[in-house]
Amino acid sequence: NAGVTQTPKFRILKIGQSMTLQCTQDMNHNYMYWYRQDPGMGLKLIYYSVGAGITDKGEVPNGYNVSRSTTEDFPLRLELAAPSQTSVYFCASRPPGRYPYNEQFFGPGTRLTVL
Amino acid sequence: KQEVTQIPAALSVPEGENLVLNCSFTDSAIYNLQWFRQDPGKGLTSLLLIQSSQREQTSGRLNASLDKSSGRSTLYIAASQPGDSATYLCAVQGGSEKLVFGKGTKLTVNP
Repeated sequence: NAGVTQTPKFRILKIGQSMTLQCTQDMNHNYMYWYRQDPGMGLKLIYYSVGAGITDKGEVPNGYNVSRSTTEDFPLRLELAAPSQTSVYFCASRPPGRYPYNEQFFGPGTRLTVL
Repeated sequence: KQEVTQIPAALSVPEGENLVLNCSFTDSAIYNLQWFRQDPGKGLTSLLLIQSSQREQTSGRLNASLDKSSGRSTLYIAASQPGDSATYLCAVQGGSEKLVFGKGTKLTVNP
């Protein structure tokens, strides 16, 4: 299994541009998450999904959108990039089963800079 | 609002030393607590997950304890090695899907 994969690894955006961060997992996990990590800080939850067609907001959802059309993919969309969105973005997933005791598996991250 | 604090922010030790990393949280109503390792430029690797009903978990040279009533967890690393150098993150999960993370402890093990 490849686990959780994210593309791209790095990206520089200009203010006002848009982009989609891709996340794919091949472990048949129902639950998927997007986090952001600012320098020297812990991770904060942006959005999560408990299965295909179901998404919900996390702690810091403003400026982002998500969709979940398949079990494997959970893309994160930035519509109008702002410097405050400069961060490292992590995607994670966890297996189905008894809530909430399952550990989350993380992708390698996407480092995004907005100038 | 749940807040997670990790002390110290950075720690440097000689190889072979036993060490303890600390994590505290403000709301004791948690379902579980996880310890992660983060290497520079990499994602997070889950080390140990302690359910709220458990007191400790062990994996190899790592031992994590949980005292829910006092809002504390410790990660004990025995016989530290240079390969243990990384940032260690603690995260707690309450009644939602949200994990609340601390800022981490950056560990350096010197040969």
